[in-house]
Amino acid sequence: NAGVTQTPKFQVLKTGQSMTLQCAQDMNHNSMYWYRQDPGMGLRLIYYSASEGTTDKGEVPNGYNVSRLNKREFSLRLESAAPSQTSVYFCASSDRQGLHQPQHFGDGTRLSIL
Amino acid sequence: QKEVEQNSGPLSVPEGAIASLNCTYSDRGSQSFFWYRQYSGKSPELIMFIYSNGDKEDGRFTAQLNKASQYVSLLIRDSQPSDSATYLCAVNNGDNYGQNFVFGPGTRLSVLP
Repeated sequence: NAGVTQTPKFQVLKTGQSMTLQCAQDMNHNSMYWYRQDPGMGLRLIYYSASEGTTDKGEVPNGYNVSRLNKREFSLRLESAAPSQTSVYFCASSDRQGLHQPQHFGDGTRLSIL
Repeated sequence: QKEVEQNSGPLSVPEGAIASLNCTYSDRGSQSFFWYRQYSGKSPELIMFIYSNGDKEDGRFTAQLNKASQYVSLLIRDSQPSDSATYLCAVNNGDNYGQNFVFGPGTRLSVLP
């Protein structure tokens, strides 16, 4: 049982490059989330998806796009990477319908933008 | 703007002692409260949640909620070196979906053998 799987684990990009972070969960959860974590700032929600086919902006969506490809997969795309997007990115999932707190996190993607 | 505040620490306690981690929040409409543990270089893991005023116990962990004073705390009894981690407080005001689920910056706990 893999839980939440994120790829890649590490990535270095140059300013202006694009990339997609992949996330998949095998727990049949409805809700999925993308967070970024920066030192001293806690986790900040980028986008979330309450169910297959729906996505909504979180606190810091600028510069990102997402796709909920199916119930399992939720990808995060950086169209034109900026140094301010250097961070650790976590994907999470939840099966709780009411309160939507993230229950299970992936191992994270450590992204550096030069 | 909804805020969740925690002392960044590090909070150092000797092995076997009680560690007390505190969290305050700004939104009086907040309805549910969560504690996550995050080991260095790892992802957060949900360890406890509390909805009602008072205490909730789970093994060595006790969550305490005081909505009137807008604080929530986590007590760890008989602290072990393996409890050394950053503890994240998170608050949800119950409206909508993930938008209103806010994390604090975390408190780093160090349990000294």
